[in-house]
Amino acid sequence: GDSVTQMEGPVTLSEEAFLTINCTYTATGYPSLFWYVQYPGEGLQLLLKATKADDKGSNKGFEATYRKETTSFHLEKGSVQVSDSAVYFCALSAGTYKYIFGTGTRLKVLA
Amino acid sequence: EAQVTQNPRYLITVTGKKLTVTCSQNMNHEYMSWYRQDPGLGLRQIYYSMNVEVTDKGDVPEGYKVSRKEKRNFPLILESPSPNQTSLYFCASKKWEGMANTGELFFGEGSRLTVL
Repeated sequence: GDSVTQMEGPVTLSEEAFLTINCTYTATGYPSLFWYVQYPGEGLQLLLKATKADDKGSNKGFEATYRKETTSFHLEKGSVQVSDSAVYFCALSAGTYKYIFGTGTRLKVLA
Repeated sequence: EAQVTQNPRYLITVTGKKLTVTCSQNMNHEYMSWYRQDPGLGLRQIYYSMNVEVTDKGDVPEGYKVSRKEKRNFPLILESPSPNQTSLYFCASKKWEGMANTGELFFGEGSRLTVL
């Protein structure tokens, strides 16, 4: 069945460091791919998405490129801030009525 | 303000005492869904609904019921809660797109349930 695998955390970085959170997926068909972010005490909110191969999603300095050949959708940011501390979820939807989420990666950014 | 509202936000109950977690959205979304979030397991879908009176099971439906009598509301019912249902629950909604599923899910703030 469809699945999402993302790197385990927590990831701890200093402010202004480069961030990569890895995400790979398994899906039949042509999934849409998403990154959601969960700030402490809040629900998830969409960070970015890509709906077809080679698409790049971007928002708030974060980027992820839909790589069909490597079945990956890694999240990157060039310079993280303390305010980016949160849990990040990779997710896919593959033409069904369901969304599949990864286990989440906790990011902590130190000043 | 567009939002998904869940109640209660926090609840401690005992095994076997029926409870309902309410979910309401004000965006006229057709699609609504319930998830539970557990450490190391991420979010897992419990039930979803494509529209009024249309619901289906997700990946972990055992021990839960849902109903969709009105478009804006999608309550989650635990008829006889057990300790393994202690979890953080999220309701989400989105505009229906058929099979495309490219749109954004809007989440509530979560309901933390503890079953003793």
